[in-house]
Amino acid sequence: SQKIEQNSEALNIQEGKTATLTCNYTNYSPAYLQWYRQDPGRGPVFLLLIRENEKEKRKERLKVTFDTTLKQSLFHITASQPADSATYLCARSNSGNTPLVFGKGTRLSVIA
Amino acid sequence: NAGVTQTPKFQVLKTGQSMTLQCAQDMNHNSMYWYRQDPGMGLRLIYYSASEGTTDKGEVPNGYNVSRLNKREFSLRLESAAPSQTSVYFCASSDPSGTEKGRWHFGDGTRLSIL
Repeated sequence: SQKIEQNSEALNIQEGKTATLTCNYTNYSPAYLQWYRQDPGRGPVFLLLIRENEKEKRKERLKVTFDTTLKQSLFHITASQPADSATYLCARSNSGNTPLVFGKGTRLSVIA
Repeated sequence: NAGVTQTPKFQVLKTGQSMTLQCAQDMNHNSMYWYRQDPGMGLRLIYYSASEGTTDKGEVPNGYNVSRLNKREFSLRLESAAPSQTSVYFCASSDPSGTEKGRWHFGDGTRLSIL
């Protein structure tokens, strides 16, 4: 079966540093990898999507990479702020028509 | 736009009771989904509907039924609630062929406790 693994359950970093979250997948490469942010008591909110043929995507302070050799996606938040504290979810999809398979998430805490 | 709206936000049931969780989206999306989220388990797919008139099982469908009432609405029914169904339920929608291809929208969840 297709799996998505986010190895770190929690990550604490100092304000201003770059947070790097890891997402590993098994079996064949997904067509898409997506990253979502989830705050307590709220539903996930879409952040970034990267396709299999893309190496890197950026949006403001966010950057995501897709390495098909390592079967891994890295999610970076530069110049992190306490407001970035949340749980971040990685998800894979084999096409636009298939449901997302989610990792368990990484809870990020940015300490002032 | 309201996006994806779920009702109710909270519910407490007794074992054996039935209830229907409602979900509606106002983005004209073709695809809708139901997930449950449990501590340490992540989001798991219960059922989905790729388009109006179709539904398919996901990873954990046992004990649930769904109805795609129309393009806007996708409901999840627990016929005989069990304590193992205590969870937070999320509805989501997406438009695989539109300008937002691949981007999903989630509701804020229904927190369900079964005693």
